[in-house]
Amino acid sequence: EAQVTQNPRYLITVTGKKLTVTCSQNMNHEYMSWYRQDPGLGLRQIYYSMNVEVTDKGDVPEGYKVSRKEKRNFPLILESPSPNQTSLYFCASGASRQPQHFGDGTRLSIL
Amino acid sequence: EDKVVQSPLSLVVHEGDTVTLNCSYEVTNFRSLLWYKQEKKAPTFLFMLTSSGIEKKSGRLSSILDKKELFSILNITATQTGDSAVYLCAAFINSGGSNYKLTFGKGTLLTVNP
Repeated sequence: EAQVTQNPRYLITVTGKKLTVTCSQNMNHEYMSWYRQDPGLGLRQIYYSMNVEVTDKGDVPEGYKVSRKEKRNFPLILESPSPNQTSLYFCASGASRQPQHFGDGTRLSIL
Repeated sequence: EDKVVQSPLSLVVHEGDTVTLNCSYEVTNFRSLLWYKQEKKAPTFLFMLTSSGIEKKSGRLSSILDKKELFSILNITATQTGDSAVYLCAAFINSGGSNYKLTFGKGTLLTVNP
């Protein structure tokens, strides 16, 4: 079954404790991206990747890092999380310039 | 700054009504416009529009793009309670070379009452 898998689905953590949210897709898509969704602000793109070893900033990249060492995986790293990064995060993948398929989301709460 | 604006922000209708959701965009290097439906979880893809004036249809849903006036509409006819969701519009933008980013509007919350 074609899917985008994010882990964890829920996480409560504390300020400054490094965390990684993993994202994996099984559709051999070139394009992968991360979004955060906040009430009143909608979905905002954090980072995207056109292919392995090719990443670029989206609209809200501050405080986040990504890597794309393999085509199927695109982890989101928060080196020193802060409360303003409390949000619902989505990973998505798609063929180049094609609609993206979203994962089920990760709800992060940073205290 | 690239902008995608949706209206209305929320809408309440009765089953059987027809609704029109609007999406306007002001972006550089526009490539295509996408519509998604979001219920409780992840957004699910509805339509991708690249050319002006060509209507895309899927059952009771249809959408069209006007690249001259920089907007798109999503129509839902004979609404059902299952159509209740947030509808998201997004613009695919060429951000340089072969790079593409996706900018979303804030969404329209549609509530269909029985």
